[in-house]
Amino acid sequence: DTEVTQTPKHLVMGMTNKKSLKCEQHMGHRAMYWYKQKAKKPPELMFVYSYEKLSINESVPSRFSPECPNSSLLNLHLHALQPEDSALYLCASSQVDNVETQYFGPGTRLLVL
Amino acid sequence: AQKITQTQPGMFVQEKEAVTLDCTYDTSDQSYGLFWYKQPSSGEMIFLIYQGSYDEQNATEGRYSLNFQKARKSANLVISASQLGDSAMYFCAMREPAQRAGNNRKLIWGLGTSLAVNP
Repeated sequence: DTEVTQTPKHLVMGMTNKKSLKCEQHMGHRAMYWYKQKAKKPPELMFVYSYEKLSINESVPSRFSPECPNSSLLNLHLHALQPEDSALYLCASSQVDNVETQYFGPGTRLLVL
Repeated sequence: AQKITQTQPGMFVQEKEAVTLDCTYDTSDQSYGLFWYKQPSSGEMIFLIYQGSYDEQNATEGRYSLNFQKARKSANLVISASQLGDSAMYFCAMREPAQRAGNNRKLIWGLGTSLAVNP
């Protein structure tokens, strides 16, 4: 079962709102990823958690705050976002091994007004 | 620096025909991995196929095969017997080498090829 789930599927928020994106996987993967993807562009890596510890932060603005409560869950807390943050946010997970194939969720389409 | 190049922004193919999507890569490392992903308009990024640099055989997965030419640094995706559901964006990606990146190596992505399958 190569399923990664993400909620919500769509999110509209104002610039003063606080919201959270949620990602869950039950494949026993120990690495989880957040990506941001603009239309017709490849995904851009934001954060990587390995064994529930933050291992990569790609200089993401502090208005994005990741959290990994356990090995199956990954959250992305959003606060004071800008309209340019509107994008598709993808979560992925992988084994921590030589191949590290990343399996992605369906994404959350975020619109910041 | 590692780089992935996909030179075909858009491709058209007739249903039931085969199509090849091009991908060339640039790396000075001996150990690397190459991936192809499919992204339909719904947004989900779907893993299709993987090729390791030391794999002697070209990877195959159902109707997908990877034409791996190491000397030319190309890893083209071949889709046989195209179906309407194959219409999507296709991304080629390369994993950073372990000795350079340590744990949780990043994927380096191409710009993608948009494939349209005509009935």
